[in-house]
Amino acid sequence: KNEVEQSPQNLTAQEGEFITINCSYSVGISALHWLQQHPGGGIVSLFMLSSGKKKHGRLIATINIQEKHSSLHITASHPRDSAVYICAAVQGGSEKLVFGKGTKLTVNP
Amino acid sequence: GAGVSQTPSNKVTEKGKYVELRCDPISGHTALYWYRQSLGQGPEFLIYFQGTGAADDSGLPNDRFFAVRPEGSVSTLKIQRTERGDSAVYLCANFDPSYNEQFFGPGTRLTVL
Repeated sequence: KNEVEQSPQNLTAQEGEFITINCSYSVGISALHWLQQHPGGGIVSLFMLSSGKKKHGRLIATINIQEKHSSLHITASHPRDSAVYICAAVQGGSEKLVFGKGTKLTVNP
Repeated sequence: GAGVSQTPSNKVTEKGKYVELRCDPISGHTALYWYRQSLGQGPEFLIYFQGTGAADDSGLPNDRFFAVRPEGSVSTLKIQRTERGDSAVYLCANFDPSYNEQFFGPGTRLTVL
């Protein structure tokens, strides 16, 4: 069993829909990253969370440390949001990341 | 530099050959990570440097893989006797404690024929 599990693996939405991507982890962590990866491989960090909730534009990320669960929400989705979204747990001390397999999001116009 | 850079962007080699992949980190960022991403998978940790020393190399798959960072800046990942299973995108990342954020390079796509 992977230490970081994401769901769903693939997600197709219509423009404007509200999107939720879930991440559960079994390792002890100091924080959790949500990353975005576009075709061609470039990875961009969207959020780093250690508790609560963060918002940036149409993106919202939440984390529940007790339940070992985090969610990434996208409001009013747009085709340019199409990408792979990856959840990565930070193992304390080294800041080493343990990654989920990613969720491929496709937003159709 | 403006960000983490990696060279080459693509490398095609034959089975059994030796390859070197280079990472130029953001100036002054002491923590440097190498990850490997196979097709359709999330990245996997290979090795982590704090300054010049490898603080954690537990992710290196076997002794064909080695990485150095002699002056605490540029790092080179070295793969000996490459195998087809080594084909992947190799990612380098810096941790910036000011932003509590990891900055990723664009990756090197290695293809072993």
